[in-house]
Amino acid sequence: EVQLVQSGAEVKKSGESLKISCKNSGYTFTNYWIGWVRQMPGKGLEWMGIIYPSDSDTRYSPSFQGQVTISADKSISTAYLQWNSLKASDTAMYYCARISGNKPDFWGQGTLVTVAS
Amino acid sequence: QSALTQPASVSGSPGQSITISCTGTRSDVGGSNYVSWFQQHPGKAPKLMIYEVNYRPSGVSNRFSGSKSGNTASLTISGLQAEDEADYYCTSYTSSSTLFVLFGGGTKLTVL
Repeated sequence: EVQLVQSGAEVKKSGESLKISCKNSGYTFTNYWIGWVRQMPGKGLEWMGIIYPSDSDTRYSPSFQGQVTISADKSISTAYLQWNSLKASDTAMYYCARISGNKPDFWGQGTLVTVAS
Repeated sequence: QSALTQPASVSGSPGQSITISCTGTRSDVGGSNYVSWFQQHPGKAPKLMIYEVNYRPSGVSNRFSGSKSGNTASLTISGLQAEDEADYYCTSYTSSSTLFVLFGGGTKLTVL
């Protein structure tokens, strides 16, 4: 059974750093792209970027380039999303998703990040 | 602004049918059969309902169907039920982005 299990909710202050995770199981992690999606309160889904764990090929949406870092550790089948300096506007739900057949077919449960100013 | 255009909201009464559109360009919806639809209930992760324009994953009700004409894809829900009330998002493969997947802006479905 394919499963993507994300790390728990975080409450941080502006300027702090954060790394959230997405643990994958039930399939060969290195054979699929993994994407990260932001959903701000009451808003739609935004594609942040994707990574191919086999060779760490990483691509970012222009809106998120330079704002976050996406990485993966194939030894533990885990993808990461990282901020060096959080802002209040980073408050959102973040989802990871496996990409198969040019679609995000399996999703994590989401990680709520709250940033206090 | 989202790359794929969806209506902000649609509504229907129980038992009726509704259709949600998703309009793109020749670089995405019009040039690809990799159009998918997702359902998202409040506080939940999106769930795949339709893939490759008109295929349903195992376990998805046959009340959900998809189609495409030109640069516009559509999701039709027949026999509306209260549990169908949710947000719906389309996605499409795109040849114009290295991220190769685009999202629609989402449509809020209200069951009256």
